[in-house]
Amino acid sequence: GAVVSQHPSWVICKSGTSVKIECRSLDFQATTMFWYRQFPKQSLMLMATSNEGSKATYEQGVEKDKFLINHASLTLSTLTVTSAHPEDSSFYICSARDYTGTGLYEQYFGPGTRLTVT
Amino acid sequence: GIQVEQSPPDLILQEGANSTLRCNFSDSVNNLQWFHQNPWGQLINLFYIPSGTKQNGRLSATTVATERYSLLYISSSQTTDSGVYFCAVGGANAGKSTFGDGTTLTVKP
Repeated sequence: GAVVSQHPSWVICKSGTSVKIECRSLDFQATTMFWYRQFPKQSLMLMATSNEGSKATYEQGVEKDKFLINHASLTLSTLTVTSAHPEDSSFYICSARDYTGTGLYEQYFGPGTRLTVT
Repeated sequence: GIQVEQSPPDLILQEGANSTLRCNFSDSVNNLQWFHQNPWGQLINLFYIPSGTKQNGRLSATTVATERYSLLYISSSQTTDSGVYFCAVGGANAGKSTFGDGTTLTVKP
């Protein structure tokens, strides 16, 4: 199956700093990638849909100025958490969509990034 | 948007037992996937199954799209099967998938 990488796998930063997380599709091109957030013992919450060459689409309640998404190529999307605060501490997971056929697609997930803001 | 309900929320089994996990969804879908999230958080694709039946080793899945549910079967469970199983569905023309709350499976030796 398709492989998605994510970097870094974990990061600790101080309150007020910014953190960038990279998501790469390694063996396929992904015009669409997704960014999720997951709190302990909860399901995945979609934050935004990242489209190559255009602005990301954010879900309701997600601050687009705080969570900057850039999808500059068909294999790379980045999520930057700006001015991070302790409440931003979470597990962030990206996924990339690979088309299986006409109108059909399958999502593949990266290994996740555990962010801790102190 | 589409509502996704998974049941049961928690399941505890003895090694070797069989289990059935269920995913109900509220609208027509053209994309349904089952994932296993391991203890390190990695989501592993199990099945892409918007309809029909598939099998992979001890795991199999069936989706009855007209009745809006999918089932994941785990046979002869092993301790390594422990983790959270998620169902994610995407509706027609929807670019994104909606996740259920998951089923937490614990397999005891």
